[in-house]
Formats: sequence, structure tokens, C-alpha cells
Amino acid sequence: SQQGEEDPQALSIQEGENATMNCSYKTSINNLQWYRQNSGRGLVHLILIRSNEREKHSGRLRVTLDTSKKSSSLLITASRAADTASYFCATDLSSGTYKYIFGTGTRLKVLA
Amino acid sequence: DAGVTQSPTHLIKTRGQHVTLRCSPISGHKSVSWYQQVLGQGPQFIFQYYEKEERGRGNFPDRFSARQFPNYSSELNVNALLLGDSALYLCAGGTASYNEQFFGPGTRLTVL
Repeated sequence: SQQGEEDPQALSIQEGENATMNCSYKTSINNLQWYRQNSGRGLVHLILIRSNEREKHSGRLRVTLDTSKKSSSLLITASRAADTASYFCATDLSSGTYKYIFGTGTRLKVLA
Repeated sequence: DAGVTQSPTHLIKTRGQHVTLRCSPISGHKSVSWYQQVLGQGPQFIFQYYEKEERGRGNFPDRFSARQFPNYSSELNVNALLLGDSALYLCAGGTASYNEQFFGPGTRLTVL
């Protein structure tokens, strides 16, 4: 079963708009990561946020983490056609089992 | 600097056969994880190896096995293939269990 659930499942926006994706998870974590996947190929790491952090920025990306609500959001500002991809959140389990659990993904389409 | 490499890129097998997939992490990365990604879903954790020892195992049957070699490359073996094993198999390397993972391009396995 998947620990994380992304919302929405699919998102279509115009170039230049902002895209927001949400991720909810079920158990305590050490960190949460966001990945991008183009056309069913390998995943690219975007950003990692640790459980004691609340917000993190990287270029046009902004990630927030609310451990009390067990949720995270990824904001992509000023989106570009090249941002079209599937986005996944991944959580480790703080129980030390060395397992990363990926969510179901959000398919983002940015229209030029 | 070479990224994570996986071989083969594509593979077609028939039910009941055995398959071996290979992965080489980035030089200096001692952790290797394997994931199965069925079309339209997020990656599912299969195994993690760190310093040649199994550190985590997902909910996969005993038909799935893996090992890590002294040079930190890894093999994933699947016996008695089923149609449901058709998927993209992803390998990810990293420096430690709870840091970002660097994914390879994947091996697309089709079981007929």
C-alpha cells in the first residue's frame, strides 16, 4: 500500500501560472522528499525537507511540511512547459526500517 | 561524473522465467535501493542495501531477491516470473539511508 497520497491526481495550467501539489502521509517520518518523473523514466530528486523543518525553497520550488497534519505541499512558481511531468512525494519511516514510500503522484501538464 | 546506470534498458520474458537486473550507483554511493513501478502508479519499495547488507525489504514475495557487491553495484533477481511482474524497475543510489536518492533510468520488464 502507498503511504503518501498526492492531490490532485492531475493538474493542467497555463505557462507562467503557479502549480500547487499536496501530499498526505500516514505515519511519523524523518524526512519527506519530492521527485519529478518525465515520461515513465527515472526520477529526479527535487527537494528534501526534514521533519524539524517547516519550509524550504529551491529556485522556483517551495515546499512546506506540517507534521501535525501529516501533509506537505510543493509549489512551482512561474511554471514552464518543461515542468510537465509527474511529481511524487516520498517519505521514509522514522521506525528505522530504511523504507521509502512513494505517493501516487500528481500529473502536471503546463500548456504553452 | 556518470550517473546511476541500469541494464538492460528493456527486457521481454515469458511467464516462469527468471530475470536479473543490474545497477551501478554513482561512485562513492554505498546505498542502493530497488523499486517497482507499475504504469500509472508510484514506485513501490522492494529492497535497500547499504554497505552490502540488506537494510530494508518491502512487501514482495520471496521470488524477489537482491544482492550488493563489494563495488556497491547491485543485482535484482526475480524468479518464476508472472504477468504482474511487468513494470519499470528503478534503482536508486545514495550516500546514506535518509538522504536524497539518485535514480537510474530504469529497466522496462515485459512478461508475456
